[in-house]
Amino acid sequence: TQLLEQSPQFLSIQEGENLTVYCNSSSVFSSLQWYRQEPGEGPVLLVTVVTGGEVKKLKRLTFQFGDARKDSSLHITAAQPGDTGLYLCAGDEYNFNKFYFGSGTKLNVKP
Amino acid sequence: GAGVSQSPSNKVTEKGKDVELRCDPISGHTALYWYRQSLGQGLEFLIYFQGNSAPDKSGLPSDRFSAERTGGSVSTLTIQRTQQEDSAVYLCASSLARLEQETQYFGPGTRLLVL
Repeated sequence: TQLLEQSPQFLSIQEGENLTVYCNSSSVFSSLQWYRQEPGEGPVLLVTVVTGGEVKKLKRLTFQFGDARKDSSLHITAAQPGDTGLYLCAGDEYNFNKFYFGSGTKLNVKP
Repeated sequence: GAGVSQSPSNKVTEKGKDVELRCDPISGHTALYWYRQSLGQGLEFLIYFQGNSAPDKSGLPSDRFSAERTGGSVSTLTIQRTQQEDSAVYLCASSLARLEQETQYFGPGTRLLVL
């Protein structure tokens, strides 16, 4: 059982469409991070959210941390083929000093 | 080097053999992490080192796995008597310190295949 559950696991969309990826847990996290990983590479950090309810924008990507700090979402507007990759959420479990990664969402954006 | 480096990049071994994977973190980073990633999946935490403190080994899947970090820099992950289920990509990451929100920088990984 994953501490961080991501959905959907797979997503295949056309260029220009919008999408949302979810990261959920029953545990409280001090912070949550989103990474993007391309085949053959290590994950690369996109953003860190810290405060419950926080929203961060990175160009066409919008990240939100739930009020209770148990969940997060990543919304991509007008997806492009360059957004294709594996999106991973990760976080520090509050008070337990453990770092966990979600199961990942594999995104394919077709031109 | 500018980033985290890992070697070898690929390793094919026979079941029952021992393997050693190496990680060179970014210079000055005191925290170092090892993860395992199965094909197309998320990352499974294995072990982390913070400076000279005793490592947190809670994620190691069995006693066949061990890791050490010499001089607070280079780390090696050793898998003894490899099994086919050990086949995965082993990723190493480092960060300035083991703090909340600290960015982890990942290496390219070692792809291990146990036949």
